[in-house]
Amino acid sequence: DAKTTQPPSMDCAEGRAANLPCNHSTISGNEYVYWYRQIHSQGPQYIIHGLKNNETNEMASLIITEDRKSSTLILPHATLRDTAVYYCIVRVTEHSSASKIIFGSGTRLSIRP
Amino acid sequence: GAVVSQHPSRVICKSGTSVKIECRSLDFQATTMFWYRQFPKQSLMLMATSNEGSKATYEQGVEKDKFLINHASLTLSTLTVTSAHPEDSSFYICSARNRDSGGNTEAFFGQGTRLTVV
Repeated sequence: DAKTTQPPSMDCAEGRAANLPCNHSTISGNEYVYWYRQIHSQGPQYIIHGLKNNETNEMASLIITEDRKSSTLILPHATLRDTAVYYCIVRVTEHSSASKIIFGSGTRLSIRP
Repeated sequence: GAVVSQHPSRVICKSGTSVKIECRSLDFQATTMFWYRQFPKQSLMLMATSNEGSKATYEQGVEKDKFLINHASLTLSTLTVTSAHPEDSSFYICSARNRDSGGNTEAFFGQGTRLTVV
């Protein structure tokens, strides 16, 4: 699976949009981009994933560049509860539920009041 | 959404004893579950892949005789830390994906088990 690069930490004011970047310059055509987050002392929580097109759900939006070498996770209105470590992962798609998820170091997002 | 439950959430054991951690998929079947370990201020490290009805696949550097994995049903995988030592103290997390959803869907994670060996 392709490796990802994320800034180690970011901060954002409460109520503002938090934009978390991720570089995945070696991504292959069959690899999806996934985002998870981990709030302190909890298991990771799925946020969103995408292949080529931008995606949006109730939690966040995912913007993938046209060349797919980078992406940005957008939390439109950050709250204090969004303070967590955010992981960007690229993963080969297989027609199997056995595909592993390998975590990088992630971005520690702090939301300030 | 789908739920993965781990038990116990927190355990303290004496050095030299064994500890079993359970991971259950509550509303879906998972032929494969994954076990991770996380030390303070570090990322999750994949330890092994648990396969229902067959032997687990361990990542490089993970001792299979120390971390025993059993995946006896489509909804339950267990990780047993044998002869635990203080350096095994960590946060253990399991993950599973719905076997009927194919490969490009999200994985669901348990809430984690905090193991402290004294």
